Amino acid sequence: GAVVSQHPSRVICKSGTSVKIECRSLDFQATTMFWYRQFPKKSLMLMATSNEGSKATYEQGVEKDKFLINHASLTLSTLTVTSAHPEDSSFYICSANSGRALYNEQFFGPGTRLTVL
Amino acid sequence: GNSVTQMEGPVTLSEEAFLTINCTYTATGYPSLFWYVQYPGEGLQLLLKATKADDKGSNKGFEATYRKETTSFHLEKGSVQVSDSAVYFCALSDNGANNLFFGTGTRLTVIP
Repeated sequence: GAVVSQHPSRVICKSGTSVKIECRSLDFQATTMFWYRQFPKKSLMLMATSNEGSKATYEQGVEKDKFLINHASLTLSTLTVTSAHPEDSSFYICSANSGRALYNEQFFGPGTRLTVL
Repeated sequence: GNSVTQMEGPVTLSEEAFLTINCTYTATGYPSLFWYVQYPGEGLQLLLKATKADDKGSNKGFEATYRKETTSFHLEKGSVQVSDSAVYFCALSDNGANNLFFGTGTRLTVIP
């Protein structure tokens, strides 16, 4: 099946620093990638949708200047949390689909746990 | 709006027990419904889906039926195994799979 990887799996940073999370589709080309955030005992919340070569579409309430998304190639999307604060601590999950089928299944990465001190 | 409510866990069962994880939804249109499973250390994987009312999705012994009258999509398995231990997420989409709304997830632990 299609595999999506995320790096790093876990990161701890100081408040005020920026953190970059990578999402890669390993064996298929991803026309669309999605970034989710998951709080403890809460559902996954879609943050933004990115299409290769174009600007990401952010969900309501998500600050685009704080969560920078770049989808520079068909196999890589990055999420940069800028000037991180403790309230940004969360589990970030990406997914990708190939966009070729009528029903475009999303393939999920294993997630990245961010802790901001 | 769209939302999914699923049974809170954790759920602990003995091997070969019957499993039900409840899921109900609210949607403005006619959504597709999904169950995803997340095994330890791995990403979410699609377990099964149903795209219209009365459809039954099934995979690996798991089943769920799309019930429009009760707005439900409960997950069932007749005899669970230790290898079924994972977190299960119910989800809906109103436009294919491009915008998924997830429930909170239910952790299942199956003990020998």
